[in-house]
Amino acid sequence: KAGVTQTPRYLIKTRGQQVTLSCSPISGHRSVSWYQQTPGQGLQFLFEYFSETQRNKGNFPGRFSGRQFSNSRSEMNVSTLELGDSALYLCASSPFQTSGSYNEQFFGPGTRLTVL
Amino acid sequence: QKEVEQDPGPLSVPEGAIVSLNCTYSNSAFQYFMWYRQYSRKGPELLMYTYSSGNKEDGRFTAQVDKSSKYISLFIRDSQPSDSATYLCAMSGSARQLTFGSGTQLTVLP
Repeated sequence: KAGVTQTPRYLIKTRGQQVTLSCSPISGHRSVSWYQQTPGQGLQFLFEYFSETQRNKGNFPGRFSGRQFSNSRSEMNVSTLELGDSALYLCASSPFQTSGSYNEQFFGPGTRLTVL
Repeated sequence: QKEVEQDPGPLSVPEGAIVSLNCTYSNSAFQYFMWYRQYSRKGPELLMYTYSSGNKEDGRFTAQVDKSSKYISLFIRDSQPSDSATYLCAMSGSARQLTFGSGTQLTVLP
């Protein structure tokens, strides 16, 4: 079974631009979560999507948004990029969403975003 | 203060040593506890998962959770150079939104 794929793997943008990152979950997985990883803050939860609906959101400004398509693929968008948005953006998929039970999250390799 | 505190290291040990990695946390609602391993230029991969308090063993790896002390540990026995990576503890109340520690960079020297 193919793992979580993320595209592009590397991206360089300038301040003020916007960027869209893509994530394809493992086949059959319906939940997709996004995380930001930086040396200073570590791994931080951005948001989670299930059945095309945002189910949870982390403490990030509204410049960070996402969506999920009917095939469970997900995109995240960052508008008006700032230098501090330089990070590794990780996508994780899990099989299903059942409140109160454990769902292992499988991470992709990430997209390395550099903002100049 | 962060919800999850993890000693960032770096930690360097000789091959065959026992490695102890630890995290403390402040949120009493956490009930799912995980350890992830992340190699350079890769995404994190799940090593161990524990629900509530207790111990769990998987080969050379043992995870311990002490909810009364809000303290979790990962022990690696007979460490190998291939264990060299960053180890991240993660916790959740719902098993969906994970809160991570900052990670400990481990190097096992041959």
